[in-house]
Parts: sequence; structure tokens; C-alpha cells
Amino acid sequence: DAGVIQSPRHEVTEMGQEVTLRCKPISGHNSLFWYRQTMMRGLELLIYFNNNVPIDDSGMPEDRFSAKMPNASFSTLKIQPSEPRDSAVYFCASSFDVYEQYFGPGTRLTVT
Amino acid sequence: SQKIEQNSEALNIQEGKTATLTCNYTNYSPAYLQWYRQDPGRGPVFLLLIRENEKEKRKERLKVTFDTTLKQSLFHITASQPADSATYLCALDGGSYIPTFGRGTSLIVHP
Repeated sequence: DAGVIQSPRHEVTEMGQEVTLRCKPISGHNSLFWYRQTMMRGLELLIYFNNNVPIDDSGMPEDRFSAKMPNASFSTLKIQPSEPRDSAVYFCASSFDVYEQYFGPGTRLTVT
Repeated sequence: SQKIEQNSEALNIQEGKTATLTCNYTNYSPAYLQWYRQDPGRGPVFLLLIRENEKEKRKERLKVTFDTTLKQSLFHITASQPADSATYLCALDGGSYIPTFGRGTSLIVHP
């Protein structure tokens, strides 16, 4: 199994641009999580999907952030317009009705 | 509000010694607690899960304790090795499959 796949691994963009992060969860997993990690705030949950349905999006910072999961094997996190304070490492994780989560390698986003 | 505390200062120990990391929480009634390891530039990796009705759990050189009275979990690595150097995160969940992570503690094992 290839594990959770995220792309791109690194993204540098200018303020105001749209950014799309992608995630392919482990096949057979039915839960998907998007996290953001910074030195200041640690690892924060942004949104949680179960069976492709958003269950908890209370961690999404504001309307500039949106996430979709059109099918069981793909999810996107979009930021539009991006701001410098969005700079962070974004992780996608998946699980199957169990508590342990499998994290992807992360996308390091830099907004200048 | 719910709060999870892990020591922000790095723990430095000598190879072969036992490393003990602490996770304290307040205003929380977790059904279970997890420990993850994170290496620089990588995502967290699951290590152990302990439930509220379990006092202790072991896996190879790892041991986790969970004291719901003290609201504390201890994570031990015995016979530590330089390869154990990493950041260790604790995560608490009330049973919803949505854990809340601590900030993590960096462990540095010196040869």
C-alpha cells in the first residue's frame, strides 16, 4: 500500500492566488481528515469527512477555505484568496472506523 | 476550555536510558488517548492507543500509562536509541474519532 498521497509536496504562491491541495487516502479507509500544522498553533483539525460527507468543519478558518471529497479516493482543500498567514504544513490523514490515523507526507505551503 | 499540555522544552537523554514524556489535560474526558511520533518533514505516525479503562499498555520498548484521576498520560521509551529522536505527540478523543493533538515534545537521544 502506498499510504496516503498528497500533492504537491511544496507550494509557493503569491498573496491573492488560489491554492489547491490534493489528497488520496488509503484504499478502503472511510474517514479523511485535513490538518494544518504551524509552530505557533501545533496540529489543528480543519475538516473531517466520513464516507465522503463532511462531518465537522468547525476548524476551517474562514470562507476562504473550502474542502471537497467527490469520491472515496480523492479530496481537495482549496484556499482562495491565499494570504501570508495561511503559510503552514497541511496534512491529510485517513482511517477506517478506528482511532489510529494514517498521515500523508504533508504539503508545505508558503504564501508571499 | 479543553487544554492538552506537553512539555515544550526538548528532552535530552543519553542512549540506553529510559525517556519519559508527559501529556496532561484539563477540561476533558477522553475515551482514549493516542501517542504519535513525528520526524522532521514527515507526517505523524501512530504508535499506541490506550483506553480510559486501561492503566497501562506496552509495545516492544514503548509503554504508555493513563491516569484519568491525575488527567495525565506518561509515555516511556526504554533502552532509548539515537533513532528514537523525534517529536512525540499525544492526542485525546472523547470517542468521536476526532482527536485533539497536543503540541508535542521533542526527544533527543545522545549517543
